[in-house]
Amino acid sequence: GDSVTQMEGPVTLSEEAFLTINCTYTATGYPSLFWYVQYPGEGLQLLLKATKADDKGSNKGFEATYRKETTSFHLEKGSVQVSDSAVYFCALSSGNTPLVFGKGTRLSVIA
Amino acid sequence: KAGVTQTPRYLIKTRGQQVTLSCSPISGHRSVSWYQQTPGQGLQFLFEYFSETQRNKGNFPGRFSGRQFSNSRSEMNVSTLELGDSALYLCASSLGQGMGTEAFFGQGTRLTVV
Repeated sequence: GDSVTQMEGPVTLSEEAFLTINCTYTATGYPSLFWYVQYPGEGLQLLLKATKADDKGSNKGFEATYRKETTSFHLEKGSVQVSDSAVYFCALSSGNTPLVFGKGTRLSVIA
Repeated sequence: KAGVTQTPRYLIKTRGQQVTLSCSPISGHRSVSWYQQTPGQGLQFLFEYFSETQRNKGNFPGRFSGRQFSNSRSEMNVSTLELGDSALYLCASSLGQGMGTEAFFGQGTRLTVV
């Protein structure tokens, strides 16, 4: 079945550092890909998405490119802030199937 | 526009009891999905309802059930609670199904089974 693999956390960075969180997927067909973020005590919020190969999703300085050849959707941000501290989930959806999530990567940004 | 509302936010139950959780989707959204989030297993899909019909079901025992009403509000029920059912239960609503459809999540119900 479909699956998502994310890099294990936690990831600890200093403010203004560059962030990469790796995400690879296995899916039949051509899924849509998502990054969700979960702040402490909250539900999940959609951060960005891409629906076809080579699409780049971007939001709030974060971006990720749908790479079909490497089945990847890595999340990047050029300069993280303390307020970016959260858990980040990579997810996919194929056709009418429910979202399949990775295990999540906890990011802590220190001032 | 109000977001997805889940009630209650916190719940403590005893083993063997049953529990009902409620989810009110965003107005106009007809699809509601439920997920269980635990530190060990991450986010696991429970079921999805669209226009009162269960469209998809995850790999959970029959103790977990749900339903959706004509106003798209949804409830999930867990009977004969076990300690392992302690988790954050998240509800998500969306306009419909299909590729790229954005799901909006509620804040969740934190269930603790003692």
